[in-house]
Amino acid sequence: EAQVTQNPRYLITVTGKKLTVTCSQNMNHEYMSWYRQDPGLGLRQIYYSMNVEVTDKGDVPEGYKVSRKEKRNFPLILESPSPNQTSLYFCASSHNAAGVNTGELFFGEGSRLTVL
Amino acid sequence: AQSVAQPEDQVNVAEGNPLTVKCTYSVSGNPYLFWYVQYPNRGLQFLLKYITGDNLVKGSYGFEAEFNKSQTSFHLKKPSALVSDSALYFCAVRYTDKLIFGTGTRLQVFP
Repeated sequence: EAQVTQNPRYLITVTGKKLTVTCSQNMNHEYMSWYRQDPGLGLRQIYYSMNVEVTDKGDVPEGYKVSRKEKRNFPLILESPSPNQTSLYFCASSHNAAGVNTGELFFGEGSRLTVL
Repeated sequence: AQSVAQPEDQVNVAEGNPLTVKCTYSVSGNPYLFWYVQYPNRGLQFLLKYITGDNLVKGSYGFEAEFNKSQTSFHLKKPSALVSDSALYFCAVRYTDKLIFGTGTRLQVFP
């Protein structure tokens, strides 16, 4: 089954404790992206990757890091989480940039992160 | 600036009645417009898109959307709502190889 898998789905942590949210897709997609969803703000892009070893900042990259060493994986790293990073995070993938342009984004089921 | 506006936080409709979820956009050039739906505890799912051509586009689950260039709108519609349509709906517009999403509209369909 074609899917985007995120882990963990739920996490409660404390300020400053490094954490990683993993994202993996099995569709051989070139494009991957991370979003955060906050009430009243919709989805905002954090980082995206056009292909292996190519990553770029989105609209709200501060406090986050990503890597794209393999095509299928695109982990989101919070080196020193803060309470303002409490949010619902979504990973998404698409075949390529053309797929993004035509709206063909596939989303994971989300990771709800709480930073105390 | 490129943006998408969904003016209603929530839309309530009785089952069997028609529904409309509003979206307006601001983008330079020809817009590529999309609707996504998010069911509880799930990721977003693609519903439909407008790239070019007929202003009325049809999508999944009986939804359709009407592109209106003069009003810069792309409202989502369905002739007869179902309780199972209750979800969070996002409008989005393409801008330089990424999608800009609206803030979302919660649709509640009552039996």
